[in-house]
Amino acid sequence: GQQVMQIPQYQHVQEGEDFTTYCNSSTTLSNIQWYKQRPGGHPVFLIQLVKSGEVKKQKRLTFQFGEAKKNSSLHITATQTTDVGTYFCAGQTGGFKTIFGAGTRLFVKA
Amino acid sequence: NAGVTQTPKFRVLKTGQSMTLLCAQDMNHEYMYWYRQDPGMGLRLIHYSVGEGTTAKGEVPDGYNVSRLKKQNFLLGLESAAPSQTSVYFCASSYQGHQPQHFGDGTRLSIL
Repeated sequence: GQQVMQIPQYQHVQEGEDFTTYCNSSTTLSNIQWYKQRPGGHPVFLIQLVKSGEVKKQKRLTFQFGEAKKNSSLHITATQTTDVGTYFCAGQTGGFKTIFGAGTRLFVKA
Repeated sequence: NAGVTQTPKFRVLKTGQSMTLLCAQDMNHEYMYWYRQDPGMGLRLIHYSVGEGTTAKGEVPDGYNVSRLKKQNFLLGLESAAPSQTSVYFCASSYQGHQPQHFGDGTRLSIL
């Protein structure tokens, strides 16, 4: 079945360092969504990418969707302690089932 | 502005007991989902619904049943709870299938 792999599983950074998480799908996706879950909280939607090669920015966050629509990345520039949490990618194919990656947990040391 | 509300927030069951988790949304969303979240495994889809009166199986449906008698409510049932069902359960809803999902606060379920 469809799988969405996400790496790394954990990342420890010093405040001010950059952070990147990568997402790879075994099948071509129609779109990909990114969510953030704070410790003890629930996933919160960040952004959706639909077009091949699409790049979107939200302040210090940059999201990319690969040309083949099978991979994506989230890059955070100059991390802050407020960035702590788990970042999930979620891929959809032609249907509406959403397959979540296992997530990357980000730890930021002040 | 409640969004997605899940009840209860915590529950401890004994093996073999049954229970129902309730999810209610006030955003008039068509799609609703039930996920379970286990450490290191992300969110896995249990069942989903594309509208009132409809339900469908997700990735891990065994041991669970669902019902969507009203558009705003999506119920998840465990007929005979097993320790392997210890998890955090999240309900989510979306306006359409490709729209962002809005999640509830989750139900932490422990089965002894």
